[in-house]
Amino acid sequence: DTGVSQNPRHKITKRGQNVTFRCDPISEHNRLYWYRQTLGQGPEFLTYFQNEAQLEKSRLLSDRFSAERPKGSFSTLEIQRTEQGDSAMYLCASSSQGDQPQHFGDGTRLSIL
Amino acid sequence: GEDVEQSLFLSVREGDSSVINCTYTDSSSTYLYWYKQEPGAGLQLLTYIFSNMDMKQDQRLTVLLNKKDKHLSLRIADTQTGDSAIYFCAEIYTDKLIFGTGTRLQVFP
Repeated sequence: DTGVSQNPRHKITKRGQNVTFRCDPISEHNRLYWYRQTLGQGPEFLTYFQNEAQLEKSRLLSDRFSAERPKGSFSTLEIQRTEQGDSAMYLCASSSQGDQPQHFGDGTRLSIL
Repeated sequence: GEDVEQSLFLSVREGDSSVINCTYTDSSSTYLYWYKQEPGAGLQLLTYIFSNMDMKQDQRLTVLLNKKDKHLSLRIADTQTGDSAIYFCAEIYTDKLIFGTGTRLQVFP
């Protein structure tokens, strides 16, 4: 089965360091989404792509965050100069179209020391 | 803005039915979703309902939609210990999912 795959599963880093996460969507899916989930909350939208085009970014996505999907397949989410408040689960999802169900990966849990 | 609300906890005995409720604000949502999250894992799509339907059944799961009241519910029949998890209701708004805070379902023997 080729579900949504995210790497790494866990990342522990010191405050101020840069981190990068990767998401591989379901192969035939054009849409790719990033969400962030903090403890005790539901996921919150960060950004999404239609093929390689980034269509929308949430105001949650500060200048320290950047996402890419260079060939319309996998995507990366980079956080520069990490802060304590960046500690969260970062979830990736994909769908075949905008109104079709989004399927999620297992997420990357980021812990900032 | 768009908002989705759920109760935080539900505790049921194994074998009983569970009903998880949700209210949402955006009447233009085309689909409404239920996701399940187990500890340390991502979200598993359980079921979804198109907004012009009022009920959908899928094995042990029944979704009821009251569009007038913007109320969605998920009924799990014959609840098992493996159903213990957090359940999220979500509406789709401009291609983005808006989630509730989740309902933690605890199943006891």
